[in-house]
Amino acid sequence: NSKVIQTPRYLVKGQGQKAKMRCIPEKGHPVVFWYQQNKNNEFKFLINFQNQEVLQQIDMTEKRFSAECPSNSPCSLEIQSSEAGDSALYLCASSLSYEQYFGPGTRLTVL
Amino acid sequence: TQTVSQSDAHVTVFEGDSVELRCNYSYGGSIYLSWYIQHHGHGLQFLLKYYSGNPVVQGVNGFEAEFSKSDSSFHLRKASVHWSDSAVYFCAVSATGANTGKLTFGHGTILRVHP
Repeated sequence: NSKVIQTPRYLVKGQGQKAKMRCIPEKGHPVVFWYQQNKNNEFKFLINFQNQEVLQQIDMTEKRFSAECPSNSPCSLEIQSSEAGDSALYLCASSLSYEQYFGPGTRLTVL
Repeated sequence: TQTVSQSDAHVTVFEGDSVELRCNYSYGGSIYLSWYIQHHGHGLQFLLKYYSGNPVVQGVNGFEAEFSKSDSSFHLRKASVHWSDSAVYFCAVSATGANTGKLTFGHGTILRVHP
């Protein structure tokens, strides 16, 4: 069973508000991923880190989204100005090898 | 660019039946394939993986999958399902060569197991 911890489990924000969620990867896993899962079960890769460095990120995360994985602190994903289309389940995964182990997700609802 | 197709959006069976959930992929290079299960309101739970060797791989809870390069497939099977297997199943692929590869997911297959 995965030991990836994500908080909060549920987040409700108004449009234009900031939304921040956190992830503690499994101990010893150097790579962390963030994905967005929408209500149609479509997954979108957002960003990944190896140790504290960004490896890949998509364009949307370069604008309203920001993320970091500081040493000895939880990783975080923040949406600077939430939009209705950001409503989704945000999944954090960590990896030591090829397998990615997922947390329970943070369900963001933007009203 | 990898793509994943799960042709069955819904599969309904009775407890004790066997089931096969289909996954086809397209990618020109070496590939890593995996299956995940998602129960309602939860995150993704890893079931099994393949990237080399024996094309039939065993996973948790009696699941297995078979890789076929000729068919570009990685179908998931279980010989005898339980009602608790009701969930959404996702097939995922990524390029091998580095453990930093993002996963590309199919749209999922909803499995309903009637008691």
